[in-house]
Amino acid sequence: DTEVTQTPKHLVMGMTNKKSLKCEQHMGHRAMYWYKQKAKKPPELMFVYSYEKLSINESVPSRFSPECPNSSLLNLHLHALQPEDSALYLCASSQGLGYDVYTPTTDTQYFGPGTRLTVL
Amino acid sequence: AQSVTQLGSHVSVSEGALVLLRCNYSSSVPPYLFWYVQYPNQGLQLLLKYTSAATLVKGINGFEAEFKKSETSFHLTKPSAHMSDAAEYFCAVRRSSASKIIFGSGTRLSIRP
Repeated sequence: DTEVTQTPKHLVMGMTNKKSLKCEQHMGHRAMYWYKQKAKKPPELMFVYSYEKLSINESVPSRFSPECPNSSLLNLHLHALQPEDSALYLCASSQGLGYDVYTPTTDTQYFGPGTRLTVL
Repeated sequence: AQSVTQLGSHVSVSEGALVLLRCNYSSSVPPYLFWYVQYPNQGLQLLLKYTSAATLVKGINGFEAEFKKSETSFHLTKPSAHMSDAAEYFCAVRRSSASKIIFGSGTRLSIRP
């Protein structure tokens, strides 16, 4: 099973709302990722978690707050978003980060279907 | 810095024709290269990856790619296009010492009946 699930599939929120995106994988992967994808653009990395600890933050605004409650779950908490934050948010997971001694360098990232976010 | 360049933001071929999607990489160290496909309103699916084990890599759905170091290329091909191949294709690169994948700008493949 190479499935990464994301909920909700679609989300519409106002600029004053607080919402959360959820990502789940049951492949035993220890690295999880959040990407943001604007229309007709490639995905842009936002955050990387490794062994439930934040490993990379690509200078993402604080209105995006990631959380990794356990090795299978990854959340993205949203607060006071702007209309320009409207995008497809993709979650991915991999066995490891690809450069530690326990996982191969070519570790594959498996992507979920994404959450389509619209900020009004 | 590592990067990939995809030549052609849109490629259109007839059903049954050869598909060729171009990707060139810039790297000062051996790269790890990937092709992902994204169907409308879906996430990304790995088509194939180059691991330095073989220069010709076969992937899913009849796609393959050849790593050519002399040309710094990793073009994606399929002998005969199907209507179901219509999608966005991303070439990507990752250094051996990093977890971050750098995606190309993408190529939208259209198939004419």
